[in-house]
Amino acid sequence: DIQMTQSPSSLSASVGDRITITCRASQSISRSLNWYQQKSGKAPQLLIYAASNLQSGVPSRFSASGSGTDFTLTISSLQPEDLATYYCQESYSDSPRNFGQGTKVQIK
Amino acid sequence: QEQLVQSGAEVKKPGASVKVSCKASGYTFSRHYIYWVRQAPGQGLEWMGRINPSGGSTRYAQKFQDRVTMTRDTSTSTVYMEVRSLRSEDTAVYYCARDRRISLTVDAFDIWGQGTTITVSS
Repeated sequence: DIQMTQSPSSLSASVGDRITITCRASQSISRSLNWYQQKSGKAPQLLIYAASNLQSGVPSRFSASGSGTDFTLTISSLQPEDLATYYCQESYSDSPRNFGQGTKVQIK
Repeated sequence: QEQLVQSGAEVKKPGASVKVSCKASGYTFSRHYIYWVRQAPGQGLEWMGRINPSGGSTRYAQKFQDRVTMTRDTSTSTVYMEVRSLRSEDTAVYYCARDRRISLTVDAFDIWGQGTTITVSS
């Protein structure tokens, strides 16, 4: 199975800051990488699919990039409503769709 | 609108079984795989398995292979997941999610159920 590793596991930033979360796959997954946002007590929601494509309705301050084994999610100007845990997920070929361990974003 | 609605919370004793339902509406049921993902308290997301509503074929994560069964009822557009021999470590929120195939090489979980809390306690 493909293993996904995120860093950092948590971060704290101020409103308006630019933040970046990293996700690394244990083998090359091309651009088969999705990002989800999970707010406390809620189901996850799709943010980004295929490494860099914004899901409909997601604010443009979210962006993502990467291919192969290394990927990043960026929030260009952190907002209070971005308080959440963010997960990457591989969707490569017939693999299981494993998730990273999550990155908890807190607001200072 | 397109949605997945799950059954309600359950409390079970160790060794018991539980069956969670996930009813799809607003889209063609047979067109999208349904995945099950669980989240233990304070933990991350764990893939459990998937079912193809069209033919009923399944694939399970190895750790759940002998305790989990996923089925579907096309007449009601509902997917079921049964977990047997429950233990305290199975206490978690269980989610179903629709897998949207965007292209030949791209898919993502675009719709999620609201989650079902299963508590295993003696």
